[in-house]
Amino acid sequence: QKEVEQNSGPLSVPEGAIASLNCTYSDRGSQSFFWYRQYSGKSPELIMFIYSNGDKEDGRFTAQLNKASQYVSLLIRDSQPSDSATYLCAVGSNFGNEKLTFGTGTRLTIIP
Amino acid sequence: DTGVSQNPRHKITKRGQNVTFRCDPISEHNRLYWYRQTLGQGPEFLTYFQNEAQLEKSRLLSDRFSAERPKGSFSTLEIQRTEQGDSAMYLCASRKGFTEAFFGQGTRLTVV
Repeated sequence: QKEVEQNSGPLSVPEGAIASLNCTYSDRGSQSFFWYRQYSGKSPELIMFIYSNGDKEDGRFTAQLNKASQYVSLLIRDSQPSDSATYLCAVGSNFGNEKLTFGTGTRLTIIP
Repeated sequence: DTGVSQNPRHKITKRGQNVTFRCDPISEHNRLYWYRQTLGQGPEFLTYFQNEAQLEKSRLLSDRFSAERPKGSFSTLEIQRTEQGDSAMYLCASRKGFTEAFFGQGTRLTVV
């Protein structure tokens, strides 16, 4: 079992719709969770982070965390063509050994 | 520019040569990470530092790879006797404590 799993996609969403990206992780002791956006040929760019169960909203983005289910998601509302990118989920391990482990990413395409 | 800086941005080397990359983290960020990313994959953890101490090194990393972070500031990643399989984007990220990690632009290595 991979430590951090994501559906590789591609995920196609019409412009203006909600894009939903999912991530599961295997280490129950994980404490911090991040979503990065990566355009082709560029380095990852942080868009959201979440540490506590529940939802966290920032503009058009909402991160959701459920530690009991070991699941974290990212919702993008009012999707724009500029949101087309690969979205990487990253998980920080136990406090005291904060290795960040990444999933393989989900490729999102917003269809105009 | 106060972000994470990586040099060089691109490196082409012949197989068997040694290469060294440099990463300058965001000032006061005590944690520094090195990742490797190949096409279609998420960033693969290589090693990380807390201040000058190298706390973890991926068991997948061969002995040809070494990293240092003297004085807890910039870091270098050296690859000895490069192989074609080393061709990848090498990413550096830094963070302060358990907060979010920010990436540099990456160094793209091509081994010919």
